[in-house]
Amino acid sequence: KNEVEQSPQNLTAQEGEFITINCSYSVGISALHWLQQHPGGGIVSLFMLSSGKKKHGRLIATINIQEKHSSLHITASHPRDSAVYICAVFWAEYGNKLVFGAGTILRVKS
Amino acid sequence: NAGVTQTPKFQVLKTGQSMTLQCAQDMNHEYMSWYRQDPGMGLRLIHYSVGAGITDQGEVPNGYNVSRSTTEDFPLRLLSAAPSQTSVYFCASSRPGLVNSEQFFGPGTRLTVL
Repeated sequence: KNEVEQSPQNLTAQEGEFITINCSYSVGISALHWLQQHPGGGIVSLFMLSSGKKKHGRLIATINIQEKHSSLHITASHPRDSAVYICAVFWAEYGNKLVFGAGTILRVKS
Repeated sequence: NAGVTQTPKFQVLKTGQSMTLQCAQDMNHEYMSWYRQDPGMGLRLIHYSVGAGITDQGEVPNGYNVSRSTTEDFPLRLLSAAPSQTSVYFCASSRPGLVNSEQFFGPGTRLTVL
């Protein structure tokens, strides 16, 4: 059983579209991370959330602790946003570790 | 700062061979970890360390050893390589406390075991 579920698994969008990627988890958590993995393989941290909403440029991340759900939004998408987006959760009962979703493969066409 | 560095970038091994994947960070981070990434699966934790001299097992530790003699270095040793260990390996580091600490990843090592 995957404790962190992401949807969709694959997403193709046209340049300029508004994109939403979802992450659901099965138990109460202390924090959630959104990461980006580019086609070259490198992984970078986008956001850390424990409540509410964060915004960085065209990226917005929200979390609803009661519903155990987080979303990553990309406004005015661009081909350079094409990447794998990964959510990861931390909860104290699991120890000092992160548990990762399988990732969402995003392709933005021009 | 170089951030998190990993060597080698690519490696091909024969079944039964041993090797060490190197990981180093220059950010004085106490927390370091090794993950493997396989198609269709999330990153899975192999081993982690919360500081020099302290290591612990993750989700998939079998067949791997680690040590942490310095804050900077966290090598991963494959004792006797098996085809099931074909994967991409990532090292990551952060300040203590995963709750509010940004994760920094190395560029990855692509390992093939024949």
